[in-house]
Amino acid sequence: DVKVTQSSRYLVKRTGEKVFLECVQDMDHENMFWYRQDPGLGLRLIYFSYDVKMKEKGDIPEGYSVSREKKERFSLILESASTNQTSMYLCASSTSGTGNNSPLHFGNGTRLTVT
Amino acid sequence: LAKTTQPISMDSYEGQEVNITCSHNNIATNDYITWYQQFPSQGPRFIIQGYKTKVTNEVASLFIPADRKSSTLSLPRVSLSDTAVYYCLVGNSGYSTLTFGKGTMLLVSP
Repeated sequence: DVKVTQSSRYLVKRTGEKVFLECVQDMDHENMFWYRQDPGLGLRLIYFSYDVKMKEKGDIPEGYSVSREKKERFSLILESASTNQTSMYLCASSTSGTGNNSPLHFGNGTRLTVT
Repeated sequence: LAKTTQPISMDSYEGQEVNITCSHNNIATNDYITWYQQFPSQGPRFIIQGYKTKVTNEVASLFIPADRKSSTLSLPRVSLSDTAVYYCLVGNSGYSTLTFGKGTMLLVSP
């Protein structure tokens, strides 16, 4: 079974802090994603990566950056945390392929509170 | 990018069949239709995926008409543990990003 592990289940940070959310997958997947989930808004894509050192903006990249130095690890960075970034953050991975669509495999999320 | 529309919520009772329909009028030729299930405090979990006609696995069936502008997730004989949010996605994770809608909150009662 694919395992996507997010380093923290709960995180509390202060406004203005730099925050790192880490995600590791163990199935050699090429694609990795960061979503945030808020009540009434569903899941929204922040950033994704198709390969090491590659990144693409999703629907709501403002206030975030990402890093993918190794294939199995995808980090989400909040350069200066703000209260409106309080949310559930979900990491996912999938494999690339032709002629088929690979499902996303999600971690269990990091609930971040910014005070 | 194909957007999806699905009911915000549905109610059912144990033992009933539940059908959740998703509209995706702008589906592209290489897009697949994928459904996920999410329980509170967990990440979404893959249920079923299809491209056309009907797909069945051990937990659900997926019906896709010929025009592919909609799809229906069918859950046979639901139980209390099927209470969850169900998301319909259209796209191809190998070639484009996948956009989640707001999902359908299914509540199964005794």
